[in-house]
Amino acid sequence: DSGVTQTPKHLITATGQRVTLRCSPRSGDLSVYWYQQSLDQGLQFLIQYYNGEERAKGNILERFSAQQFPDLHSELNLSSLELGDSALYFCASSGRTGNTEAFFGQGTRLTVV
Amino acid sequence: GQQVMQIPQYQHVQEGEDFTTYCNSSTTLSNIQWYKQRPGGHPVFLIQLVKSGEVKKQKRLTFQFGEAKKNSSLHITATQTTDVGTYFCAVHPLSGGSYIPTFGRGTSLIVHP
Repeated sequence: DSGVTQTPKHLITATGQRVTLRCSPRSGDLSVYWYQQSLDQGLQFLIQYYNGEERAKGNILERFSAQQFPDLHSELNLSSLELGDSALYFCASSGRTGNTEAFFGQGTRLTVV
Repeated sequence: GQQVMQIPQYQHVQEGEDFTTYCNSSTTLSNIQWYKQRPGGHPVFLIQLVKSGEVKKQKRLTFQFGEAKKNSSLHITATQTTDVGTYFCAVHPLSGGSYIPTFGRGTSLIVHP
């Protein structure tokens, strides 16, 4: 158990819809990262938050947004969903011990139909 | 942006054979991390290399960081079926900025009993 909790585990929704993925980082970790993993693809970095503030952006679409709340949990919002958004979305956290290794949640598998 | 290439993309081995995956960066790295993702699972941190020429071992796994800090390798001796999974390297460039683990596409190891 990595200590990172993601909900829901699975999500099936229709094109054009909006969904919210939730992540609770490990206790004490200030950094939260969101990654997208498509079939046979690596982990594509989407966005990072640190202690409530956006720290870095990767290849995140304008239809996607995220935030980190005062209790450090984070949400990734995906809107106007397209079939190509179907993927595994991982949240990872780091920083508690000063080390940089990332601890991943179990992921949310999003299927857009 | 940071470019990291990982080869091979797939590797089939017979149980007992050795396995090596390579990670190559276009820029000098601050450090490199290795993760393993079992089928249906999430990436799990294995190790971090920081020093030029560093070699670390974990049982049958040997990790090496190149002298120029631009490449790394993971070698598994006498593979077992439990080694099945995708091995990712994650890099951070030396030029600094926010620490964002940038992942290679991974090497999927298939071990045939």
